Amino acid sequence: SQKIEQNSEALNIQEGKTATLTCNYTNYSPAYLQWYRQDPGRGPVFLLLIRENEKEKRKERLKVTFDTTLKQSLFHITASQPADSATYLCAPSGNTDKLIFGTGTRLQVFP
Amino acid sequence: DAGVTQSPTHLIKTRGQQVTLRCSPISGHKSVSWYQQVLGQGPQFIFQYYEKEERGRGNFPDRFSARQFPNYSSELNVNALLLGDSALYLCASSQQGDSYNEQFFGPGTRLTVL
Repeated sequence: SQKIEQNSEALNIQEGKTATLTCNYTNYSPAYLQWYRQDPGRGPVFLLLIRENEKEKRKERLKVTFDTTLKQSLFHITASQPADSATYLCAPSGNTDKLIFGTGTRLQVFP
Repeated sequence: DAGVTQSPTHLIKTRGQQVTLRCSPISGHKSVSWYQQVLGQGPQFIFQYYEKEERGRGNFPDRFSARQFPNYSSELNVNALLLGDSALYLCASSQQGDSYNEQFFGPGTRLTVL
C-alpha cells in the first residue's frame, strides 16, 4: 500500500539557518507533490506544488525538489524565522480526487 | 473574499450519538473534500464531492456519509459515534474536482467523543 514518511521528530534550528524537511514515499508514483503548512488548531495552508517532470521549484524563501528515482522530496526554508515554526505536510498525489498526506514534520525555529 | 468556513468549531458527543458537520466552500469552488485528522497524524481523506456528486471515498466505514447541496456547501454525517472518531474534521474546497488543484482548507471542527 502507499506509504509516506516524514521526519517524525521535530526539527529545531536557529533563526537564519536553512531548514530542510524530507518526504519519502513508496509503492506508488505520484504525478505531483504538494507541500502544506499547518499551525496548531488550524487547517493546512497550501505552499507549493511540484510536478514529476520538474526537478526543483522556488517561491520566495521556499525551495522544493522532487526526485522520482529516489522517491523523495526535499523542502527547504532559507533564512528561517521564528514565524516559520509550524508543522509541514507533504502530499505526493496522483491524478485522483484526493490528497494523500504524510504525518508531517514539526519545525521549531528559535532566535 | 471569505475562506472556507466550517461549523461548529467544537463539538462534544457521547458514544453512539450522531453528528453533522457543515462546510461552506469558497465562492466559485465546486469541489468539497472532507478529511479526518487525528492528533499527531496527517489528514486522512474521507470524501470528495464535485458538482453535487460523490467523486471519491476513503477507507472509512459506512457510518460516515456526506452530501453536497446545490449551493456547493456540504455536510458530513457520522452515525453511531465511537471514541476513535475523536479528531479534527477538515473541509477543503477547490475550483475543479481533481487534487492537482490547490486545496483551500477550513479551520476544522474539533469533535470529541466521550
